[in-house]
Amino acid sequence: DQQVKQNSPSLSVQEGRISILNCDYTNSMFDYFLWYKKYPAEGPTFLISISSIKDKNEDGRFTVFLNKSAKHLSLHIVPSQPGDSAVYFCAASRNNAGNMLTFGGGTRLMVKP
Amino acid sequence: KAGVTQTPRYLIKTRGQQVTLSCSPISGHRSVSWYQQTPGQGLQFLFEYFSETQRNKGNFPGRFSGRQFSNSRSEMNVSTLELGDSALYLCASSFYATNEKLFFGSGTQLSVL
Repeated sequence: DQQVKQNSPSLSVQEGRISILNCDYTNSMFDYFLWYKKYPAEGPTFLISISSIKDKNEDGRFTVFLNKSAKHLSLHIVPSQPGDSAVYFCAASRNNAGNMLTFGGGTRLMVKP
Repeated sequence: KAGVTQTPRYLIKTRGQQVTLSCSPISGHRSVSWYQQTPGQGLQFLFEYFSETQRNKGNFPGRFSGRQFSNSRSEMNVSTLELGDSALYLCASSFYATNEKLFFGSGTQLSVL
């Protein structure tokens, strides 16, 4: 079963506007969440993370929101830039599971100039 | 600081053969994880090593194995290759072994014919 889901395979936004990428999880044992960005022919690059004790974490243009009751997290990119065009993966881990990450299927973001 | 290095970049094998992939983590990092990326299954955790000990293992058959050396370099081996093993194999490293952002290499693209 898919414990981490990204229901939107793709998203297209205009440059300068907000991009919102969503992620849902089912395993209540997950307590740490991360977002990665991936360009073709490269490995994923870490973007931002959030612990389950928080509901928001911000880093420059990137903000991650966590709603534990809904088992939902989202990544906001403001303002979106053409260089943000990539595949975005959310991932989750449990405190006693080392660096074992469970990834969502990814969302392809296209930012149009 | 050099990033995570994976060799070879591309590999073509035939069914039944075995393959060994190599990963050199970022200097000082002691945790190495391996992930498999396929179009159908997305990114899936294979195993994680920390200080030469396997800490976690994903849901893969015993044909998939790995090890870590005293210099933190890691190898993974797949024996009796099947067509379904065709995938991008990604290695990631981190300093600690829990709730850490992972630094990924560019991966080894394995094609099984």
